[in-house]
Amino acid sequence: ETGVTQTPRHLVMGMTNKKSLKCEQHLGHNAMYWYKQSAKKPLELMFVYSLEERVENNSVPSRFSPECPNSSHLFLHLHTLQPEDSALYLCASSQGTGYYEQYFGPGTRLTVT
Amino acid sequence: QQQVKQSPQSLIVQKGGIPIINCAYENTAFDYFPWYQQFPGKGPALLIAIRPDVSEKKEGRFTISFNKSAKQFSLHIMDSQPGDSATYFCAASTRGSQGNLIFGKGTKLSVKP
Repeated sequence: ETGVTQTPRHLVMGMTNKKSLKCEQHLGHNAMYWYKQSAKKPLELMFVYSLEERVENNSVPSRFSPECPNSSHLFLHLHTLQPEDSALYLCASSQGTGYYEQYFGPGTRLTVT
Repeated sequence: QQQVKQSPQSLIVQKGGIPIINCAYENTAFDYFPWYQQFPGKGPALLIAIRPDVSEKKEGRFTISFNKSAKQFSLHIMDSQPGDSATYFCAASTRGSQGNLIFGKGTKLSVKP
């Protein structure tokens, strides 16, 4: 295991539901990331948190709402999603931002019906 | 300007062959080029990375070749094994980009026994 865990591993939700994805890192890192991985597309960086402050938000729709209560935990709150939001959502962490190696979790496979 | 173009999309080689995956970029400010390996059901894991001050870096059977003038870099896998079958992603980043890795679309490698 990489030291980054994600729950749940699979999630099916309707367009009107509200759900949350959870990420936890056990590596003592200071930066955490959310990525979206869709078929046939590059990994897309969604959010970056450094020392619990959001430092990057790549024009992500407001139906995705991140939360970083401490340097070990990261959440992605989901509401009124669209079918095109179905994807693998990956969490990563690193010692810092910049060149530091990013350690990825196994991802949450999200299906929006 | 921010894209990283990766080819081929898929690759099949025999055991012992030397698959080569190529990436090209436009942004001359990129100065960190990692390669990630992803197995089914797992998150990407850093394989090897290079900075533009060197033209080649080897780690075990994996080699990155970097051509700064052509703005290209490639991954070579020597003596490939069936266990190397995975999806490989190249990426690029710049200093101060807050961990913003720009990924290629990935290459699915299959090594036949």
